[in-house]
Amino acid sequence: SQQGEEDPQALSIQEGENATMNCSYKTSINNLQWYRQNSGRGLVHLILIRSNEREKHSGRLRVTLDTSKKSSSLLITASRAADTASYFCATEPPGRRALTFGSGTRLQVQP
Amino acid sequence: GAVVSQHPSWVICKSGTSVKIECRSLDFQATTMFWYRQFPKQSLMLMATSNEGSKATYEQGVEKDKFLINHASLTLSTLTVTSAHPEDSSFYICSGSGTSISYEQYFGPGTRLTVT
Repeated sequence: SQQGEEDPQALSIQEGENATMNCSYKTSINNLQWYRQNSGRGLVHLILIRSNEREKHSGRLRVTLDTSKKSSSLLITASRAADTASYFCATEPPGRRALTFGSGTRLQVQP
Repeated sequence: GAVVSQHPSWVICKSGTSVKIECRSLDFQATTMFWYRQFPKQSLMLMATSNEGSKATYEQGVEKDKFLINHASLTLSTLTVTSAHPEDSSFYICSGSGTSISYEQYFGPGTRLTVT
């Protein structure tokens, strides 16, 4: 079963704006990852944040993690039309090797 | 990063037939491979985890006799959908992990299965 939910389910913004996506999960985790998926394609790993980290940056990406609230957010700054894709968070519960994915956010960046 | 390929990228088959999907790790040895299923506009759902040389572990609700998984070598895992039905139409994605650090999973490009 899915680990949690993401919101919003869909997000449409203009190029240059920032996009924020949120992810909530249900159980304790070792780490949380964010992936991107272009329509009908495979997954691209974006960033991983460990359970003892609160914030992480990678280029235009900023990820936060609040383990007390079991939530994470992904911020994409200065969005581009090429950022249009679905974004999924994925968690790795302790003792399990498989990833559990959130429901995903479909991001549309209008040029 | 490491590369995982899937073959075929898409397949159309008739109801009642079987379809085999291959997942290969091209430049690393995948001791563990994972198979996921994704329905349109939905998230990825883990189907099974397979370790090289041993039987796959299936998630609750996934029929092991319908979705046969073989992981006979460190670079190849196969998923066979037996007696496929239209409701099996989906996007199947595999991933491979070559280390004990489980977050290092590398995903294949996926296989689109359409059962008519």
